[in-house]
Amino acid sequence: SQKIEQNSEALNIQEGKTATLTCNYTNYSPAYLQWYRQDPGRGPVFLLLIRENEKEKRKERLKVTFDTTLKQSLFHITASQPADSATYLCALAPGGKLIFGQGTELSVKP
Amino acid sequence: GAVVSQHPSWVICKSGTSVKIECRSLDFQATTMFWYRQFPKQSLMLMATSNEGSKATYEQGVEKDKFLINHASLTLSTLTVTSAHPEDSSFYICSADWDRTKYEQYFGPGTRLTVT
Repeated sequence: SQKIEQNSEALNIQEGKTATLTCNYTNYSPAYLQWYRQDPGRGPVFLLLIRENEKEKRKERLKVTFDTTLKQSLFHITASQPADSATYLCALAPGGKLIFGQGTELSVKP
Repeated sequence: GAVVSQHPSWVICKSGTSVKIECRSLDFQATTMFWYRQFPKQSLMLMATSNEGSKATYEQGVEKDKFLINHASLTLSTLTVTSAHPEDSSFYICSADWDRTKYEQYFGPGTRLTVT
C-alpha cells in the first residue's frame, strides 16, 4: 500500500542547532515533494517544493533534500529559533491531489 | 497574494443540525478548491475536490450526501455538514491552487466544528 511516513515523535532541540526531519514514502513515484508548516489551530503554510530531478533545494535557513532511490526527503532548519516551533508536514501529489504525512512536531527551546 | 479565508473560524452546533463552512480565495481565482479534515494529532485527510461549476469529486469513504460541496464561483466554495453528529467534530480546512504550474496550495485558516 502507499504510505508517507514521518517521525511521529516530537523533536526537541536547542536554539541555534540544526533540526532535521525525515519523510519516507513507499509505493509512490512522485515528480515532486512538498513541505508545509502548520501551527496549532491553523492551516498549513507552503514552505518548499523539490522536484525529482533536484537533489537539494534551499530557502533562507531551510534546506530540503530528495533521494528518489531511498524514497526519502530530509528537511533541515539551520540556526533554529523558538519561532520555528511548529508541526512540519511533507506531502506528495499523486494525480494532482495532496497527500500528507502525519507530521513531525518540532520544539525549539531557548 | 494567494490568500484563502474561511468562515466561520469556529462553530458549535447541536447534533442533527446542518452547518455551512465557506472558503474564499481573496485575491485570485480558484478553479479548483480542496476540502480536508484533520482530527487532533493526526494529519490532514483529503475529503473532496471542488471544481467550479461542476460536481465535487469525493474521496473514498467520504459520504457525499453528508458533506455537501458547492463551488458556485471562482472565489467561493462551501462545505455543508448535514445532520451533524459528535463524530463529525473536527478541524475542516480548505485550500486552493494559486498557480497550477507551481503546484503550491494555499490553505485557509481552518474551521473548528464542535457538535454537541
